[in-house]
Amino acid sequence: EAQVTQNPRYLITVTGKKLTVTCSQNMNHEYMSWYRQDPGLGLRQIYYSMNVEVTDKGDVPEGYKVSRKEKRNFPLILESPSPNQTSLYFCASRGLGQAAGELFFGEGSRLTVL
Amino acid sequence: AQTVTQSQPEMSVQEAETVTLSCTYDTSENNYYLFWYKQPPSRQMILVIRQEAYKQQNATENRFSVNFQKAAKSFSLKISDSQLGDTAMYFCAVSGAGSYQLTFGKGTKLSVIP
Repeated sequence: EAQVTQNPRYLITVTGKKLTVTCSQNMNHEYMSWYRQDPGLGLRQIYYSMNVEVTDKGDVPEGYKVSRKEKRNFPLILESPSPNQTSLYFCASRGLGQAAGELFFGEGSRLTVL
Repeated sequence: AQTVTQSQPEMSVQEAETVTLSCTYDTSENNYYLFWYKQPPSRQMILVIRQEAYKQQNATENRFSVNFQKAAKSFSLKISDSQLGDTAMYFCAVSGAGSYQLTFGKGTKLSVIP
């Protein structure tokens, strides 16, 4: 089954404690992206990657890091989380040459930073 | 740069009735794609319908259809015979043909009333 898998689905943490949200896709997609969803703000892009070792900032990259060492994985790293990073996070992927195609989303990760 | 505006934060409709969700967009691309995504309470992002800007004909998917007005940069979603399962947040999005970046609107929360 084609899917994007995120972990953890739910996480409560404290300010300053480093955390990583993993994302893995099994569709051999080149393009992967992270979004955060906040009430009244829709989905905003954090970082994206066009392929292995190629990453770039989205609209709200501050406080986040990513890496793309393997094609299937695109982890999101919060080095020192703060309460304003409390949000719902989505990972998504898409194949190159499929600009009209569907962006496949993970099931979301609800993060709370106290 | 791309922008998407959904001017209706919340809407409601009686079961079996028809409802139209509004979306306007702006893009500097000559060719682009437009999407409507649905996010039910389960949080999963589901592609509802897509439209290629160079196609004149409005896209339809069963009870879902769009009214694409290219000159006005308008892309509304019509849901016919509304069902309780249509209750969800709906996001409009645009993607340039030469880009894989999706820009989302802030969403419209639709409630279907029995």
